[in-house]
Amino acid sequence: EAQVTQNPRYLITVTGKKLTVTCSQNMNHEYMSWYRQDPGLGLRQIYYSMNVEVTDKGDVPEGYKVSRKEKRNFPLILESPSPNQTSLYFCASSLQNTGELFFGEGSRLTVL
Amino acid sequence: GQSLEQPSEVTAVEGAIVQINCTYQTSGFYGLSWYQQHDGGAPTFLSYNALDGLEETGRFSSFLSRSDSYGYLLLQELQMKDSASYFCAPKAAGNKLTFGGGTRVLVKP
Repeated sequence: EAQVTQNPRYLITVTGKKLTVTCSQNMNHEYMSWYRQDPGLGLRQIYYSMNVEVTDKGDVPEGYKVSRKEKRNFPLILESPSPNQTSLYFCASSLQNTGELFFGEGSRLTVL
Repeated sequence: GQSLEQPSEVTAVEGAIVQINCTYQTSGFYGLSWYQQHDGGAPTFLSYNALDGLEETGRFSSFLSRSDSYGYLLLQELQMKDSASYFCAPKAAGNKLTFGGGTRVLVKP
């Protein structure tokens, strides 16, 4: 089944404790992206990747890192999480130059 | 600069027709996507318009006018399961999609 898989789905952590949210897709998509969703603000792009070893900042990259060592994986790293990073995070992937993003189920992160 | 506007909420009854308008200002505009998101769920793709005109997919249709920087999503024969948030998302270079705050559609019996 074609899908984007994120882990963990839910996480409660404390300020400053490094964490990684994994994202994997099995559709051989070149493009992958991370979004965060907060009430009233819609989906805001954090980072994106056009292909392996190619990443770029989105609209709200501060406090986040990403890597794209393999085509299928695009982990989101929070080196030192802070409470303002409490949010619902979505990973998405697509073929290049299409308007169709495939989203993972989301990861709800709470930073205390 | 970039801007995106769509209504925050629309309420309609089952069987009705709802039109969600979207106006945008996007540098390097390629096309306009629409997504549906149910509460607690992930956004799912509905349609993508790269060219002017109307695209129909079952009960849902999407329209784009590039010259007016305007598009709309038309939901026909509304059903209870259509209660969800709907996002327009202009696409720019680098496959970048910008999502606004979305339109919450509430369908009443």
